[in-house]
Amino acid sequence: GQQLNQSPQSMFIQEGEDVSMNCTSSSIFNTWLWYKQDPGEGPVLLIALYKAGELTSNGRLTAQFGITRKDSFLNISASIPSDVGIYFCAGDDSNYQLIWGAGTKLIIKP
Amino acid sequence: ETGVTQTPRHLVMGMTNKKSLKCEQHLGHNAMYWYKQSAKKPLELMFVYNFKEQTENNSVPSRFSPECPNSSHLFLHLHTLQPEDSALYLCASSQVVRLAGTSRGQETQYFGPGTRLLVL
Repeated sequence: GQQLNQSPQSMFIQEGEDVSMNCTSSSIFNTWLWYKQDPGEGPVLLIALYKAGELTSNGRLTAQFGITRKDSFLNISASIPSDVGIYFCAGDDSNYQLIWGAGTKLIIKP
Repeated sequence: ETGVTQTPRHLVMGMTNKKSLKCEQHLGHNAMYWYKQSAKKPLELMFVYNFKEQTENNSVPSRFSPECPNSSHLFLHLHTLQPEDSALYLCASSQVVRLAGTSRGQETQYFGPGTRLLVL
């Protein structure tokens, strides 16, 4: 079946640094979604992208739907401690099923 | 009222037990989902219900049995599970739009907090 390649798998960053993560697919997607999951909780939707080339911001978060419709990235500017968690990308394929990445774990260095 | 609720939050059961997980959504959605989340793996879709009808069953073992009595409630009945079934079980809901006989999912899914299951 389809798979999403999400990278990096984990990131160790200093507070205040900018963060970037991305997802790529071998297939075209109609929608890209970015979720964040805190420990012991379910994923929470951060940003939804519906058109190729779309660039959307949510506070310090910015995500883009790649022009080829096969990739998306998520940037976090000036990271703060509450940004730690696992970030998931998900794509909506031509069968209108959500395909998930394996997640990027964000850790803030003390 | 939280959008999607799940009970219990934690469950420990033996391999011969029977238990049920419950999910309730307060968002007026017409589709509900069960996912299994294991460490360092993508979310695994188990079951999908659109308009109370099961539309997906991704090769899930029969020891997992879903039930959707109405569009707001979803259950996952568990019976004779194995230790490898230990995981976080997530419920989600979304609004599905039917166009010309097909189901066009908006696919912005909203998740509950999950049930952490440990099978001994």
